[in-house]
Amino acid sequence: IAGITQAPTSQILAAGRRMTLRCTQDMRHNAMYWYRQDLGLGLRLIHYSNTAGTTGKGEVPDGYSVSRANTDDFPLTLASAVPSQTSVYFCASKNEGSAGELFFGEGSRLTVL
Amino acid sequence: GQNIDQPTEMTATEGAIVQINCTYQTSGFNGLFWYQQHAGEAPTFLSYNVLDGLEEKGRFSSFLSRSKGYSYLLLKELQMKDSASYLCAVTDSNYQLIWGAGTKLIIKP
Repeated sequence: IAGITQAPTSQILAAGRRMTLRCTQDMRHNAMYWYRQDLGLGLRLIHYSNTAGTTGKGEVPDGYSVSRANTDDFPLTLASAVPSQTSVYFCASKNEGSAGELFFGEGSRLTVL
Repeated sequence: GQNIDQPTEMTATEGAIVQINCTYQTSGFNGLFWYQQHAGEAPTFLSYNVLDGLEEKGRFSSFLSRSKGYSYLLLKELQMKDSASYLCAVTDSNYQLIWGAGTKLIIKP
């Protein structure tokens, strides 16, 4: 089934630990995004990649890093997790035809204690 | 700054019609999206407006007025499965998506 796969679905993490959230898509979309979603706030862009080999910073990039070695994979790394990074993280890719709508993964719920 | 405003929560009755409003103030405009998000799930695309007017898609319609910085999503013949959050998002002059906080729609029998 075509789409975006995120892993893990849920994770509890001790503060100070390193964590990588994985994201893989099989739709051959060039543009990919990482968002965080917190109660009462809109989706906030962390990092994005317009094409393989390039990345850019979004609205809230501090404490996060990404890489885009190929078209399909776009992992998000928290180098040293802090409690304020407790959130639901969504990976998305962009359909460059039609309206340019985003396709989202099912999300990764991260709790930092 | 850039801002998207939509009501936090709305309640409607099964079978009825509900209109969810969205107003925006952004640096430029290159389209407006509506997404649906059921609790605990990912957002899914509903509609896209780039020109003024009404776009109809089954029970859902979306309206845009660029001069007023205003859009609404109209849901007809409400069903219980329409209980979800509805997210408004605008693409600005740099083609970055600005998201509203979402409107939680509660459908009562």
